[in-house]
Amino acid sequence: AQSVTQLGSHVSVSEGALVLLRCNYSSSVPPYLFWYVQYPNQGLQLLLKYTSAATLVKGINGFEAEFKKSETSFHLTKPSAHMSDAAEYFCAVSDLADKLIFGTGTRLQVFP
Amino acid sequence: DADVTQTPRNRITKTGKRIMLECSQTKGHDRMYWYRQDPGLGLRLIYYSFDVKDINKGEISDGYSVSRQAQAKFSLSLESAIPNQTALYFCATSDRGTSGSTWETQYFGPGTRLLVL
Repeated sequence: AQSVTQLGSHVSVSEGALVLLRCNYSSSVPPYLFWYVQYPNQGLQLLLKYTSAATLVKGINGFEAEFKKSETSFHLTKPSAHMSDAAEYFCAVSDLADKLIFGTGTRLQVFP
Repeated sequence: DADVTQTPRNRITKTGKRIMLECSQTKGHDRMYWYRQDPGLGLRLIYYSFDVKDINKGEISDGYSVSRQAQAKFSLSLESAIPNQTALYFCATSDRGTSGSTWETQYFGPGTRLLVL
């Protein structure tokens, strides 16, 4: 069965520092992988998705993620954190029945 | 106007009461979903519908029921609410995509915060 594991429920960085949010997946077939972001008091919105094209995927707001099959990972990065990046981030994998399986989320705090 | 709307946005109810959460969408999508979000558990799928005549149970359907009244409307009911159903509930929609693709983006409503006393 498909699943995702997000390492670290909370990540804190200083403004301007590198953001790295970790996601590892388990899938019996080539996966489709997603990162969603949830800003305070809002629903989730798509940051980026991997659909078996380029392994380096660029998303909105300067985020990107790299699909690494050998490591079964899809980590999310941003070179320079901004205060507005403070949110909760969810990794997800599409299962064989066209549904999304979400990770437990990582809350990102950005300090000035 | 928002593409996916949920009503109510906040609800307090008592144990044993029946309540309904409603979701409407203007995106013209066939697929609709109900999730609940609990701290530390992420989002878990309750029910989903791939078209008006197709309703499926998700990971945690016990204690819930749904109704797909039209392509644009998908309601979630708690037949007899209990305190452990206190959570944040999200509705989402997605397009069918070409050849039934599984990578279509899901679009989420703003959520309904439910408290069961």
